[in-house]
Amino acid sequence: DSGVTQTPKHLITATGQRVTLRCSPRSGDLSVYWYQQSLDQGLQFLIQYYNGEERAKGNILERFSAQQFPDLHSELNLSSLELGDSALYFCASSEQLQETQYFGPGTRLLVL
Amino acid sequence: TQLLEQSPQFLSIQEGENLTVYCNSSSVFSSLQWYRQEPGEGPVLLVTVVTGGEVKKLKRLTFQFGDARKDSSLHITAAQPGDTGLYLCAGASGYALNFGKGTSLLVTP
Repeated sequence: DSGVTQTPKHLITATGQRVTLRCSPRSGDLSVYWYQQSLDQGLQFLIQYYNGEERAKGNILERFSAQQFPDLHSELNLSSLELGDSALYFCASSEQLQETQYFGPGTRLLVL
Repeated sequence: TQLLEQSPQFLSIQEGENLTVYCNSSSVFSSLQWYRQEPGEGPVLLVTVVTGGEVKKLKRLTFQFGDARKDSSLHITAAQPGDTGLYLCAGASGYALNFGKGTSLLVTP
């Protein structure tokens, strides 16, 4: 158990819908990262927050957005969902920037 | 574009065999990490290598970072069924990690 929690564990929805994935970092960690893992692309970095502020952006689509709240939990919002958005979404956290990242168990999203 | 190429993609061996998996890149990384991921779970960090030429050992696992800090290898001695999983290498690029697609290892008794 990494100490990072993610909800929900599984999510099934339809194309065009919007979903919110939630992540609670390890106690004391200020930085949160979101990754998408698909069979063809592997694990891809989406976005990073540090103490409530966005610090780095990766291959995140405009239909996706995220935020980190004052209590340090983070949410990833996915809208206008497409079949190709079906994937595992992981959250990771670290105490500070450029430190070891601890991954949560992931949310498996299936878009039908 | 995948910055890190891992080989082989799949590996199926019998218990007791040795194996090596590779992680190659044309980019230089300040550090390189190896993770192991089991089905339905998130990646778990095995090791971080920082210095070119560095060798780290973790029980039966030996990790090596290339002199130019562009490639790495993971060698497992006397593999056990518990070693089964997806092995991912990741290079630090700024604050984010760039992952390879992984080597899926199956060790059968």
